[in-house]
Amino acid sequence: QSALTQPRSVSGSPGQSVTISCTGTSSDVGGYNFVSWYQQHPGKAPKLIIHDVNKRPSGVPERFSGSKTGNSASLTISGLQAEDEADFYCCSYAGNYVSVFGTGTKVTVL
Amino acid sequence: QVQLVQSGAEVKKPGASVKVSCKASGYTFTGYHMHWLRQAPGQGLEWMGWINPNNGATNYAQNFRGRVTMTRDTSISTAYMELSRLRSDDTAVFYCARLSSYYSDYWGQGTLVTVSS
Repeated sequence: QSALTQPRSVSGSPGQSVTISCTGTSSDVGGYNFVSWYQQHPGKAPKLIIHDVNKRPSGVPERFSGSKTGNSASLTISGLQAEDEADFYCCSYAGNYVSVFGTGTKVTVL
Repeated sequence: QVQLVQSGAEVKKPGASVKVSCKASGYTFTGYHMHWLRQAPGQGLEWMGWINPNNGATNYAQNFRGRVTMTRDTSISTAYMELSRLRSDDTAVFYCARLSSYYSDYWGQGTLVTVSS
């Protein structure tokens, strides 16, 4: 199972919006509505911010939103804040009880 | 509250094995699968597999099949991940994470395993 493809980095100024793409295949992202996103600050464990493509767990700010079209999913951060600077990973169910993660994207707040 | 507390850092020689534990609290341990993931220094997350604590069933990622063994002890709500025939490129932080439906909602703090001669 190959890793899902994410841009290595994205950046934006405070208040701007940034979007991170996550590209897979019809066997993972395109085949199931089970895409999740995780935020990881340096030296910390990942934190769930989106599940089932576009659902936000309790306590996650509304500025984080997810979507999916075909074999690609996206995470949008609207109104970027300094504390959003972190690494972000997508993950998709890939059938046969297998999960696959994305390559990761570093978000920099300018 | 849900907590996953992992065992401490380890240093191992190439060819050895390491066993990492993950103690769960705050929920019914047998009610949720447990994932294990690896993150090499400066690299992304890599899914290793899962264990169903209810019956011990496992599913391992192809990359780790033959080297990884996931077990559990329901009496102490603890999951284990053992990786054998360690290589230098196994140096990484290993995470356990509770699987809720198709996503990981709670994570352990991570365990650093260093493989060095």
